[in-house]
Amino acid sequence: GAVVSQHPSWVICKSGTSVKIECRSLDFQATTMFWYRQFPKQSLMLMATSNEGSKATYEQGVEKDKFLINHASLTLSTLTVTSAHPEDSSFYICSARGDLGLAVNEQFFGPGTRLTVL
Amino acid sequence: QKEVEQDPGPLSVPEGAIVSLNCTYSNSAFQYFMWYRQYSRKGPELLMYTYSSGNKEDGRFTAQVDKSSKYISLFIRDSQPSDSATYLCAMRGPTDSWGKLQFGAGTQVVVTP
Repeated sequence: GAVVSQHPSWVICKSGTSVKIECRSLDFQATTMFWYRQFPKQSLMLMATSNEGSKATYEQGVEKDKFLINHASLTLSTLTVTSAHPEDSSFYICSARGDLGLAVNEQFFGPGTRLTVL
Repeated sequence: QKEVEQDPGPLSVPEGAIVSLNCTYSNSAFQYFMWYRQYSRKGPELLMYTYSSGNKEDGRFTAQVDKSSKYISLFIRDSQPSDSATYLCAMRGPTDSWGKLQFGAGTQVVVTP
């Protein structure tokens, strides 16, 4: 149980284009989903927190108009990087938290999406 | 000063040795403590979860929390090359909105055959 998937696993795009990354909780309902960014050999940096049906809450310094987050259902959240530039190249990881009926209901992470902007 | 401090390593140990990892923190409100393992270019995987102070054991892994010292530890016994990964500590308080976690920097562990 507690499986989170991400799609795509790796995407290469041209500068100026938009890229959508999907995050799905496969076997539980995720009331809250988190989006992180991770640069090589660095820890996770939280970008935003989203609750199903609500607007996402962005961390300080994260541009909400550039990183659009939609949490339309209890099993799906999407992150759209708009007008991507080379500095947006990074490893994007989502996590999901929900009522699993277990003692632990902490965040379970997806496998990550590697974005390369040329 | 960061809320959670963790030595980034790398920490290199021979196969079969005990790996000892730790984090310190400054926020006394933290009550939930986690250890995640992350292989290169993969998402973090939850290894251990501890509430408040005490020890917890799961197979070769032992997690310890000392709230009086604001110090948590993870021990890996009989380490294997497959344990080579980055280990992240994470923690939160009881009232953190939506369960937002504070992460350490992660310690890179290398277990040599």
